[in-house]
Amino acid sequence: KQEVTQIPAALSVPEGENLVLNCSFTDSAIYNLQWFRQDPGKGLTSLLLIQSSQREQTSGRLNASLDKSSGRSTLYIAASQPGDSATYLCAVYPQGGSEKLVFGKGTKLTVNP
Amino acid sequence: GAGVSQSPSNKVTEKGKDVELRCDPISGHTALYWYRQSLGQGLEFLIYFQGNSAPDKSGLPSDRFSAERTGGSVSTLTIQRTQQEDSAVYLCASNRGMRGEQYFGPGTRLTVT
Repeated sequence: KQEVTQIPAALSVPEGENLVLNCSFTDSAIYNLQWFRQDPGKGLTSLLLIQSSQREQTSGRLNASLDKSSGRSTLYIAASQPGDSATYLCAVYPQGGSEKLVFGKGTKLTVNP
Repeated sequence: GAGVSQSPSNKVTEKGKDVELRCDPISGHTALYWYRQSLGQGLEFLIYFQGNSAPDKSGLPSDRFSAERTGGSVSTLTIQRTQQEDSAVYLCASNRGMRGEQYFGPGTRLTVT
């Protein structure tokens, strides 16, 4: 059974710092991986989707990498801003026929001005 | 374009009553998902619809939960005889299928008193 873990559960950094959020999954046989952010009381906003054949994806100040063999993905946020404060979730589509995303519990990021 | 919409945004109901939650996916998206997010927990998959195929109901926690999707578009999640443990945020997502990028609605916060 695929399990997704995100450590740490919470992270607090000063504004301007570059930071890395971690995601690990137990079964390396994944179809793709998606990163989301969730603001308090809101739904999830898709940030990046990495296909299993890709090693990274970039969008603005965000860069997500994928290492399937080690079961890890990282989300790099450059020059963090208070507006980046949110919970960040990663999720994987397992290989095979499953259409269900398996989610981690998220990392709650606070960027202090 | 319009994103995924859900209604109501908040619902307070008494234990034992039935509730209906509605999801309107992005136009043209053939796949629709329901998830549940309880306080301090990760996202829990409930049910998945893809086109005209039989839905994947494997995540529904009990037979009090049911969902339908009419005309391949709007979906309704029904919870009968609500219990306090049903209190959670219910999230809907849609995509073009084929394990593509999922787009989420803002959620319905259900409180059972």
